[in-house]
Amino acid sequence: DIQMTQSPSAISASVGDRVTITCRASQGITKYLAWFQQKPGKAPIRLISTISSLENGDPSRFSGTGSGTEFSLTISSLQPEDFATYFCLQHESLPYTFGQGTRLEVK
Amino acid sequence: EVQLLESGGGLVQPGGSLRLSCAASGFTFSNYRMTWVRQTPGRGLEWVSSIGENSGYTYYADSVKGRFTISRDNSRSALFLQMNSLRAEDAAVYYCGRFHGMDVWGQGTTVTVSS
Repeated sequence: DIQMTQSPSAISASVGDRVTITCRASQGITKYLAWFQQKPGKAPIRLISTISSLENGDPSRFSGTGSGTEFSLTISSLQPEDFATYFCLQHESLPYTFGQGTRLEVK
Repeated sequence: EVQLLESGGGLVQPGGSLRLSCAASGFTFSNYRMTWVRQTPGRGLEWVSSIGENSGYTYYADSVKGRFTISRDNSRSALFLQMNSLRAEDAAVYYCGRFHGMDVWGQGTTVTVSS
């Protein structure tokens, strides 16, 4: 199984800050790594697919990078609506696995 | 509008059964692989099962293999998860999702396993 280790588990930040969240995979991933945002009581929304492809309609302040075993989600300039929980998903190798999540909080 | 709507969750005793449904609309359901995942505060998100476009394959997490069965009815644009021999650790919010990469999620349905 591919283990996804996500860090940090929580971040305190302010509007306008640049924030980076990382997922490390226990084995190499070539393509199928996605990032999601989830707000309390709501279903997750996919932000990024295939490592770096931004979903249609999602703001360009979100970006995904990485290769091999290390992947990152960056929010270039935090907006008030970005405070939420973020997590990664690898769906390259069964069983598909999620990161533990990063809670992005207002400082 | 692309939409997924789960139903069928509820309270069930340990050892009991439950059948979850996911109604799809706004897209050609038969063209897409579909997935069930679950979420708990303690364990986070866990992939449960996936099924091919024409039910040509089904995959399961080890934790549910032999107890859960995923199926679909393309004529009704519906996805199902039959859950048998339920355990306390199966209690979660269950989401259906489009494709293995979960580009669209339902709103979730809550399963509670308790005596």
